[in-house]
Amino acid sequence: EVQLVQSGAEVKKPGESLKISCKGSGYSFTSYWIGWVRQMPGKGLEWMGIIYPGDSDTRYSPSFQGQVTISADKSISTAYLQWSSLKASDTAMYYCVRQFAPLSSFDLWGRGTLVTVSS
Amino acid sequence: EIVLTQSPGTLSLSPGERATLSCRASQSVSSSYLAWYQQKPGQAPRLLIYGASSRATGIPDRFSGSGSGTDFTLTISRLEPEDFAVYYCQQYGSSPSTFGQGTRLEIK
Repeated sequence: EVQLVQSGAEVKKPGESLKISCKGSGYSFTSYWIGWVRQMPGKGLEWMGIIYPGDSDTRYSPSFQGQVTISADKSISTAYLQWSSLKASDTAMYYCVRQFAPLSSFDLWGRGTLVTVSS
Repeated sequence: EIVLTQSPGTLSLSPGERATLSCRASQSVSSSYLAWYQQKPGQAPRLLIYGASSRATGIPDRFSGSGSGTDFTLTISRLEPEDFAVYYCQQYGSSPSTFGQGTRLEIK
């Protein structure tokens, strides 16, 4: 089955670091881009950035540049989204998505990872 | 970046009726790189339409997309109970990709 499997929900304190994951299966992981999409509670969708696991080419939305780091380990078909110092405003659902190209629709979505940042 | 404005914010209709959702862009969307997604409560979004008018795999033909330039439309010809959800448009013709704020389709 073609799918993206995301890591489980996280509860963190402000200032802590975090790395969440997205594992692709059922398709050639290195032939597609993996993107990340944020959805804050009760809000809409925001594209954060993408990575091409084949060569780790990474691109960020200006809104998220410098705020998060996207990486990938093609040997285990897994992409990552990480924060070095979380803020309460990072509380959201984070989805990983599959893209055929940097400018393409998102044809496959993970189920999401809920990140809660609270003191 | 391109701003997408969806209307109406909420649409109240009955099963069997026709739904028309609008998405307007602040500037022309290149190559009609416009997609529509459906999101149900507690679920991830699902791709319905890409390239403004092409249905994604497995999407019923009651869903259709149209438009070009700055004005796009998602039409659901006859609403089924499972179609009541939030719908988002997305442009992916220029970076950063952006989404509309969503239209909530609710049962009347």
